[in-house]
Amino acid sequence: DSGVTQTPKHLITATGQRVTLRCSPRSGDLSVYWYQQSLDQGLQFLIQYYNGEERAKGNILERFSAQQFPDLHSELNLSSLELGDSALYFCASSPTQGEQYFGPGTRLTVT
Amino acid sequence: AQTVTQSQPEMSVQEAETVTLSCTYDTSESDYYLFWYKQPPSRQMILVIRQEAYKQQNATENRFSVNFQKAAKSFSLKISDSQLGDAAMYFCAYRSAMMFSGGYNKLIFGAGTRLAVHP
Repeated sequence: DSGVTQTPKHLITATGQRVTLRCSPRSGDLSVYWYQQSLDQGLQFLIQYYNGEERAKGNILERFSAQQFPDLHSELNLSSLELGDSALYFCASSPTQGEQYFGPGTRLTVT
Repeated sequence: AQTVTQSQPEMSVQEAETVTLSCTYDTSESDYYLFWYKQPPSRQMILVIRQEAYKQQNATENRFSVNFQKAAKSFSLKISDSQLGDAAMYFCAYRSAMMFSGGYNKLIFGAGTRLAVHP
C-alpha cells in the first residue's frame, strides 16, 4: 500500500459524458501527478500540481482539467468523453524531495 | 525531449533462472534518475529499483540489479533467481534531476516489457 488513494476504482460511462476522478496523496506530500495508461499510448504524464498550483502540463487534452484543493487532494475532470479516453488513470504523489508513489488507479471505460 | 525505449515487448524465463530486460534512453541532460517499475496483474505501479546518473556504481535491490551504461544510454534490469511472483509488466522510466520549486519532474516511461515466469 503506497498511501495514495484513488476513487473510484472502476468507472463505466457513455460517450459525451463527464466524470471526476479523485486522488488523495500520502500524508505530507505536496505534489500530485496524473498519468494516463492506455493500450496504444502507454503511460503518459498529464499534469502536475504542487501545493494547489499547477506546475507542469503534459499531453493533457483541453477536454481534461484538474485541480488540487487546500487539503491537497486532487481531482481530474474528464468531459465530452470519447471511446479513446478509456484507460487506467493513475495519480502519484511525492514530497518536495523524493520519489513518486502511485495510487492503485481508476479504470475508466467509455462505451 | 527525453525518450525511453524498451525493445522487448515480451520476455520469458524459467523459475530460478536469470533474465535481463533492456532499456535505452535519449537525453541531453547530464543529471537524471532512471527507474524500473513493476506492474503486476493488480495494475499497481511498484518501484523496483532506481539509479542516479551521477553514480557509477550499479544499483542493487535483493534479486534485482541494473547495468547502467551512461555513455551508451543503456539501463538494463537483471532479475536473478526468478520467482513466479516476478511475472508482470516492467517499465523503465526517466526523470530529470532538475528540481523546480514544485518538486521533482514527471516520469517518462518506456512502452514496457511483459515478463512471463514458467515453473
